[in-house]
Amino acid sequence: QVQLVQSGAEVKKPGSSVKVSCKASGGVFSSSTITWVRQGPGQGLEWMGRITPVFGTGYSAPSFQDRLTITADESTRTVYMELSSLRSEDTAAYYCATDSGLRGYDPWGQGTLVIVSS
Amino acid sequence: EIVLTQSPGTLSLSPGERATLSCRASQSVSGSYFGWYQQKFGQAPRLLIYSSSSRATGIPDRFSGSGSGTDFTLTISRLEPEDFAVYYCHQYGNSPHTFGQGTRLEIK
Repeated sequence: QVQLVQSGAEVKKPGSSVKVSCKASGGVFSSSTITWVRQGPGQGLEWMGRITPVFGTGYSAPSFQDRLTITADESTRTVYMELSSLRSEDTAAYYCATDSGLRGYDPWGQGTLVIVSS
Repeated sequence: EIVLTQSPGTLSLSPGERATLSCRASQSVSGSYFGWYQQKFGQAPRLLIYSSSSRATGIPDRFSGSGSGTDFTLTISRLEPEDFAVYYCHQYGNSPHTFGQGTRLEIK
């Protein structure tokens, strides 16, 4: 069974970038699809994008097209989510999860809080 | 983008009662790629139902999902104290994948 462990909380200035990691243990990594979802304070869930490491290229939701980069390092079984040009509205908990195809998103990482504040 | 609208926004019930949560899609979605999640405060979402009606591993049988096309339902047959949480519907067959805004299930 795959387990996902994310990096710790971050505090960033507006205009800067943040890079959050998601390390997978167990299961098959390269052919798995890892997706990113964020949740603003008191808000719902927003899908950001996904990557399948064996294919290399990440896919970002249109609303993040120019600011979001999703990459994977097969040697360390780690997926990265980098969001640039941060603004206060990007303050949120960021989650990675395994996109299991028909079986939905399962499991999830524990979440990483990113605070954007001057 | 497919918009999912959940109702009600908040549902107030007592333990032992039956809960019915609804999710309506702005266009038809594949039932094979529709699911439900439970989220408790400060925790990551947990998959309850996938493919509209299949329970995820370890999910009690008091949780059931149904529906097709644009209308889907999550039913909790007999509420336990640990079931009071926020529930999200999710379609993952069309990009971008989308979630409903959530239904808060609170103790009456």
